[in-house]
Amino acid sequence: AAGVIQSPRHLIKEKRETATLKCYPIPRHDTVYWYQQGPGQDPQFLISFYEKMQSDKGSIPDRFSAQQFSDYHSELNMSSLELGDSALYFCASSRRQSRVDIQYFGAGTRLSVL
Amino acid sequence: DAKTTQPPSMDCAEGRAANLPCNHSTISGNEYVYWYRQIHSQGPQYIIHGLKNNETNEMASLIITEDRKSSTLILPHATLRDTAVYYCIVRLLNMLTFGGGTRLMVKP
Repeated sequence: AAGVIQSPRHLIKEKRETATLKCYPIPRHDTVYWYQQGPGQDPQFLISFYEKMQSDKGSIPDRFSAQQFSDYHSELNMSSLELGDSALYFCASSRRQSRVDIQYFGAGTRLSVL
Repeated sequence: DAKTTQPPSMDCAEGRAANLPCNHSTISGNEYVYWYRQIHSQGPQYIIHGLKNNETNEMASLIITEDRKSSTLILPHATLRDTAVYYCIVRLLNMLTFGGGTRLMVKP
């Protein structure tokens, strides 16, 4: 079965550079979530989109922005990168049904900021 | 979303059942219990969910107490590949709030 695809898998950037992470949801899924996991920490919710509209916002820095496109893929744009942005970034997708929302995660993008 | 409490770590012998408890005493009537696991640095993996009835799938069983204030995830025959952090999450819709979880170590 098709899974959530994230690209790139690894990314190395310098401080103050920009980065774009991409997420391709499972076919027919209408909702995308982004999570950040720092070293030794639990995943933390950043932002989500339902039917291409921003749905919820978590602890996402103002330097980050995201969107969901007409084909339902999503991109997380990160500017003015800081050392503390080094983390695993996971995308999850779901097909929102009444009262049940099972999120399926991608393999993640490991971002290293030097 | 209701908060959950899980033991930080547990050990289990390979081939034996692993029983992972979760307390969620403030759960509201329409919130579901979801279980996910994360194997070292991989994306979290959905295991099972339930509302009030016990549930079973090919991965695990979920036992929810009658008052819904606690639940237990059961891996019937744990293998070394089940070593992971297991998260119990109570929620309606939208984001998952990962908190602590139980680090399960399956030992030969």
